[in-house]
Parts: sequence; structure tokens; C-alpha cells
Amino acid sequence: KAGVTQTPRYLIKTRGQQVTLSCSPISGHRSVSWYQQTPGQGLQFLFEYFSETQRNKGNFPGRFSGRQFSNSRSEMNVSTLELGDSALYLCASSSRASTTDTQYFGPGTRLTVL
Amino acid sequence: GNSVTQMEGPVTLSEEAFLTINCTYTATGYPSLFWYVQYPGEGLQLLLKATKADDKGSNKGFEATYRKETTSFHLEKGSVQVSDSAVYFCALSEGGNQFYFGTGTSLTVIP
Repeated sequence: KAGVTQTPRYLIKTRGQQVTLSCSPISGHRSVSWYQQTPGQGLQFLFEYFSETQRNKGNFPGRFSGRQFSNSRSEMNVSTLELGDSALYLCASSSRASTTDTQYFGPGTRLTVL
Repeated sequence: GNSVTQMEGPVTLSEEAFLTINCTYTATGYPSLFWYVQYPGEGLQLLLKATKADDKGSNKGFEATYRKETTSFHLEKGSVQVSDSAVYFCALSEGGNQFYFGTGTSLTVIP
């Protein structure tokens, strides 16, 4: 089975721009979660999508948004980029079949905001 | 609320040394507990998990036991190798698919 894939792997943007990141989950997985990883804050949960619906949301401003398509692929969008948005953005998928599900992570997208 | 506290790093060990990385948690219910590992330039990989009290998760020589009485899930390995150098994350989930991660502990193993 192919793992979780994320594109692009690296991205450089300037302040004020917007960016869209993409995540393809493991085949058969219907849940996709997004995390922001920075050296100072560690891993912070952004949101989770399941069957095209946002199920959980972390404590991030409205500039961070996402969506999920019928094939379970997910996109995350950040508008009006700030320097502090520079981070590794990780996507994780799971089948969400039970409460003990494991999340499987992609390699991440490294976003640098200049 | 839910949270995970890990021991501060970085940790530097010689090859074949014994490893312990402490992890304690706070949860409102009965969470599942996980250890993930992140190698340089990569995403997180599941190392092991335990879903109920007294369960022991194990993989690749690593072990962790779910201790409800001490709310702990410490990671141990009897003999570390250079290839174990990575960042280790403790995490919990109470279902609903929201995971709470510790801040990570960086491990460097020197030959």
C-alpha cells in the first residue's frame, strides 16, 4: 500500500501571499488530519477532515483553512502568509474505524515565508 | 484537558547504552497512547502503541507500558544503536482522531 503523500515537499513564499498544500491519504483512509510543526511550538493540531467534513479544529486563526474531496484527498490553505507561518506541515491519515486508530504521517511540506 | 509531557532533550548516549525517555499524560478519559519517531527530513512514523492500562507496546527493541496509576508511558530500549538517532514523540488520543503530542525528545547515539 502506498503511504501518505504530500505535495509539494518544499515551498518558498513571501509575506502576504497565500499557499495551498496537498495531501493524499493511504488508500481506504477517510480521515485526514493536519499539523504544524515548528521548533518552538512542536506539533500543533490544525484540523481533521472525515468524509469531506471538518470534524475537529485546533486553535489557529481563520487564515488557515482546509477541505477534503470525495476521494479523501485533502488540501490546506493559508492566506495572507506571515513570517511565523514558516514550518513543516504534516498530514496524517487514518481509517477512523475505531477509537484506537493509528495515524500515519506523510513526509511533510516545508514552507518558508520570506 | 488532554496533554502530554515528555522529558526535555537532547539526549546523547553511547551505542549499546540503555535508553529511557519519560512521558506522562493528562487525559479526561481512557486514551490510547503512542510513541512516534521522526528521522531527519522525514515525517513521523508509528513506533509502538498501547490502547489500555497495563498494555505493553513493543517494536524494534523499544518497549513502553501503559501505566494508568502513574499516568505514564515511558519509552525504553535495552541497547541503542546509531540508527536509533531521531526525535521521539509521545502522543495520546481519546478517539475523535485528535492526537495530542509531546514536544519531542531528540536522541543522538554516538559510536
